Amino acid sequence: RKEVEQDPGPFNVPEGATVAFNCTYSNSASQSFFWYRQDCRKEPKLLMSVYSSGNEDGRFTAQLNRASQYISLLIRDSKLSDSATYLCVGDSGNTPLVFGKGTRLSVIA
Amino acid sequence: DAGITQSPRHKVTETGTPVTLRCHQTENHRYMYWYRQDPGHGLRLIHYSYGVKDTDKGEVSDGYSVSRSKTEDFLLTLESATSSQTSVYFCAIRNRGQGGEQFFGPGTRLTVL
Repeated sequence: RKEVEQDPGPFNVPEGATVAFNCTYSNSASQSFFWYRQDCRKEPKLLMSVYSSGNEDGRFTAQLNRASQYISLLIRDSKLSDSATYLCVGDSGNTPLVFGKGTRLSVIA
Repeated sequence: DAGITQSPRHKVTETGTPVTLRCHQTENHRYMYWYRQDPGHGLRLIHYSYGVKDTDKGEVSDGYSVSRSKTEDFLLTLESATSSQTSVYFCAIRNRGQGGEQFFGPGTRLTVL
């Protein structure tokens, strides 16, 4: 089983919608998590770090469920500019970060 | 933006030729990584470094070698490029002592004909 798994999508949502992605992880030793955003033909960029139960930054909320071993990303009031691929990463502290394959989001006018 | 650059940004080469990609950082971070990204595979770790002259293999290291003779530079070498190594290569840096976030360079698009 892959250490980090994500639904590849694509998620096609209208502007203004709320959309949520889930990311499941298999390494229970993972202590912190990160969400990255990657635009087409660009490098991944850090969107949010999660060290405890969750984190919120404006329209973006990340929630961590350690019992079920998943982390979610919620985007409220979607904008056209939110269209990108979102990568989930778990950090167990001892090894290089393992990235999921990403979830593609398309926000449609 | 993190001070990380990659060179060249684009390269076209022929099968069998050697290729070296350079990653340069100005952040003095200990950890540096090389990934390749291909459609359907996501980011795959090639090699990484946890200090000067300290390197280790990732999940797709065959056909690649690395060197790190100083903190700021991490080189990735394809000794004899093959068409299967056509990809986008990303370098990343990380300071695990400060939150552990990882930051990526802008990428190198390599085409092997």
